[in-house]
Amino acid sequence: NAGVTQTPKFQVLKTGQSMTLQCAQDMNHNSMYWYRQDPGMGLRLIYYSASEGTTDKGEVPNGYNVSRLNKREFSLRLESAAPSQTSVYFCASSDGTASYYGYTFGSGTRLTVV
Amino acid sequence: GNSVTQMEGPVTLSEEAFLTINCTYTATGYPSLFWYVQYPGEGLQLLLKATKADDKGSNKGFEATYRKETTSFHLEKGSVQVSDSAVYFCALSPLGQNFVFGPGTRLSVLP
Repeated sequence: NAGVTQTPKFQVLKTGQSMTLQCAQDMNHNSMYWYRQDPGMGLRLIYYSASEGTTDKGEVPNGYNVSRLNKREFSLRLESAAPSQTSVYFCASSDGTASYYGYTFGSGTRLTVV
Repeated sequence: GNSVTQMEGPVTLSEEAFLTINCTYTATGYPSLFWYVQYPGEGLQLLLKATKADDKGSNKGFEATYRKETTSFHLEKGSVQVSDSAVYFCALSPLGQNFVFGPGTRLSVLP
């Protein structure tokens, strides 16, 4: 099925460990996004990539890095995980018609940092 | 700036009750408006949208009308089902900018 694929679905890390969350889309979208979802906080934008080769900070970028590997893939890296990064992470994508068709979201990665 | 305000949840209803989830927005220009739904353990799915004033979006029995005069996009359903239990997000798409999402409203429907 066409869409946005995120891996892994679940992950438990110890404080200070590093990991990379993977995201791939097969809809030929130009723009990709990383959000985190926390209880009572809604969705907060971490980083986004408007097109291949560009990345920009969102609302809460501290503690994260991203790589737009190619048009399909956009990864999120935690270099030294902290308990405050326990959250559900969503990747999304869109093209130039986002104002009409909206964003397409992946199913999320549930990350726990202990 | 651009912002979205949604009614505080959680909202708890009995099956077949009428649902309204309020959404108001602040934006420059004429943004498109969206409702997304998130079922337990899943990602967000587009529920409905409206791209200009007075448009009505509808899907799966849900409706919302783009009211520019009141800057609102309230979500309604005439008769909710247990399967509608989810978190609902209102969002706006300002021209040339990233989406702005509301905080979400959790709906629980009891049999």
